[in-house]
Amino acid sequence: GEDVEQSLFLSVREGDSSVINCTYTDSSSTYLYWYKQEPGAGLQLLTYIFSNMDMKQDQRLTVLLNKKDKHLSLRIADTQTGDSAIYFCAETFTGGGNKLTFGTGTQLKVEL
Amino acid sequence: DAGVTQSPTHLIKTRGQQVTLRCSPKSGHDTVSWYQQALGQGPQFIFQYYEEEERQRGNFPDRFSGHQFPNYSSELNVNALWLGDSALYLCASSLEPGQGSNTEAFFGQGTRLTVV
Repeated sequence: GEDVEQSLFLSVREGDSSVINCTYTDSSSTYLYWYKQEPGAGLQLLTYIFSNMDMKQDQRLTVLLNKKDKHLSLRIADTQTGDSAIYFCAETFTGGGNKLTFGTGTQLKVEL
Repeated sequence: DAGVTQSPTHLIKTRGQQVTLRCSPKSGHDTVSWYQQALGQGPQFIFQYYEEEERQRGNFPDRFSGHQFPNYSSELNVNALWLGDSALYLCASSLEPGQGSNTEAFFGQGTRLTVV
């Protein structure tokens, strides 16, 4: 079945790197995504990776995918206070169309 | 381009009532999906509409129904509201994906439904 898990909370200092982790169970994942949700707002797509890739870099964001261990991570370099938000990983999978299965979310707090 | 717009932004209903939420997709998009996000949880897929038909459905009871109009806008209806239906309801629009391809889903700001 589909199950996506994340740690609930992460606190970092401004300027440090943040690493948010996600594990999933569905081996037929096609794409894996990272979304950002600020208070009272909808979801903003940050980046995504195709399931046959290992890594994708997009400016301050680096996504790493370990398909063997079903582990996905998002690294944010030079974390800023504006990065404080809840981060969700999500997946689509073979036969699922573009239905998104979301994790529970990780709340990132950036301290000065 | 206004992106995905949802209405209303907030709503309070009483147990047993019925509610209708509305969504206008991003310009050029033909597929609309609805998600329920309970407090402190990730969004859960309710269903998806394409060409005015429900194409996929998540694990939600028949009390949850929807509709897509010829202009691609969509409604989510919930009958016989329970306290547990209190949540943020998110609409996402996208283009019908080609075989094996990816299509980005754009989310609206959501409708906050409170059932008392």
